[in-house]
Amino acid sequence: QVQLQESGPGLVRPSQTLSLTCTVSGGSLTSGNNFWSWIRQPAGKGLEWIGRSHTSGNANYNPSLKSRVTISVDSSKNQFSLKLNSLTAADTAVYYCAREPFASFDIWGQGAMVTVSS
Amino acid sequence: DIQMTQSPSSVSASVGDRVTITCRASQGISTWLAWYQQKPGKAPELLIYVASTLQSGVPSRFSGSGSDTDFTLTISSLQPEDFATYYCQQSNNFPFTFGGGTKVEVK
Repeated sequence: QVQLQESGPGLVRPSQTLSLTCTVSGGSLTSGNNFWSWIRQPAGKGLEWIGRSHTSGNANYNPSLKSRVTISVDSSKNQFSLKLNSLTAADTAVYYCAREPFASFDIWGQGAMVTVSS
Repeated sequence: DIQMTQSPSSVSASVGDRVTITCRASQGISTWLAWYQQKPGKAPELLIYVASTLQSGVPSRFSGSGSDTDFTLTISSLQPEDFATYYCQQSNNFPFTFGGGTKVEVK
């Protein structure tokens, strides 16, 4: 079955750019009509949707982050990625990648803890 | 943004109890609502989508109902593995938003 796995640095300096990759295994990123999303969760807090992208290039972002975020899909590598720039301590969170087949997130990665600190 | 308000924020219950969690949207979202279960240190898992459709593999003791602004998640007979935090999420409008969560604890 399809599985997702996040990868990237666990520690990033303030003002720098976070780059995370989500690798899709057990199936093709291009099969079905899925969107591929990023969601984050600060420790002890709730969930925040960051944005999503489709293999067609269609993307949607949370306006609260839109000026700082890019989500892209690389079908050749069966991966999609998140770039978030101008980081502050408020961006410290567990970052999840997820598949969205129909207005909900049916498959999630295990999560990647990201700390923003000097 | 559409605000999703869950109540209660926590509930104490025993195995076998019927548990009901509510989620209210700040504006109408038709049936574009999903429910998730999250256990400590784990990713959320999808339970129900489009308000009342049970995700494949989810036990039938979970059910969802509602439309427009008011929704409920019901666990008909609480099992030991159901102690967790539950979130609702709307997908009617961007940005997609989640409720603040309801923690189901052991009584």
